[in-house]
Amino acid sequence: QSVLTQPPSVSGAPGQRITISCTGSSSNIGAGYDVHWYQQVPGAAPKFLIFGNTDRASGVPDRFSGSRSGTSASLAITGLQAEDEAHYYCQSYDVSLLGSVFGGGTKVTVL
Amino acid sequence: EVLLVESGGGLIQPGGSLRLSCAASGFSVSNTHMSWVRQAPGKGLEWVSVIYSGGSTYYVDSVKGRFTISRDESENTLSLHMNRLRAEDTAVYYCARGFSSSWYRFLFWGQGALVTVSS
Repeated sequence: QSVLTQPPSVSGAPGQRITISCTGSSSNIGAGYDVHWYQQVPGAAPKFLIFGNTDRASGVPDRFSGSRSGTSASLAITGLQAEDEAHYYCQSYDVSLLGSVFGGGTKVTVL
Repeated sequence: EVLLVESGGGLIQPGGSLRLSCAASGFSVSNTHMSWVRQAPGKGLEWVSVIYSGGSTYYVDSVKGRFTISRDESENTLSLHMNRLRAEDTAVYYCARGFSSSWYRFLFWGQGALVTVSS
């Protein structure tokens, strides 16, 4: 059971917009700690995608965007492409655990 | 260019010990917050431990008292000493570099080292 909750899977057709939610609590996202997002394809290390809730890492297409509100955060992908098929993880800091926490991951499938 | 290369993974029996190393280049591990993150087969990411640039260390509850994170300035390496290993420690272990302003912002990752705990 992950501290941050993500849907196990999300799917969409090419060109569509999808969103991935990341729900935390008052000891992590709700406490104001930054949320970061990572993309991981099978067999590879995670790739840094979004930092500080909303900022895209260098080289990340503007199709990817992040947001945060209250105890939750979201990653949106607009204009979904086949190359976006991957697992996506949110991450934050938890002040009660004194460590970083990840969401359980969301598998994105492009139909 | 920043590069992180893990080594030391392998098959180990339950209760055994193993040391993972992460060789860094392009920066100094002593001036940077460094972490270990693991991923069990078919599972998600789990943060394991951090050593801050100032030397403080923190661990996820499941490894406290069994794992020790350390760094060697002369070799520019990060290490994870793992004792009393359990089957549930089986995972790919990644070292990751944090930012000075956000220690858990992991832009750079190693390729990972597989640790298999099994009899």
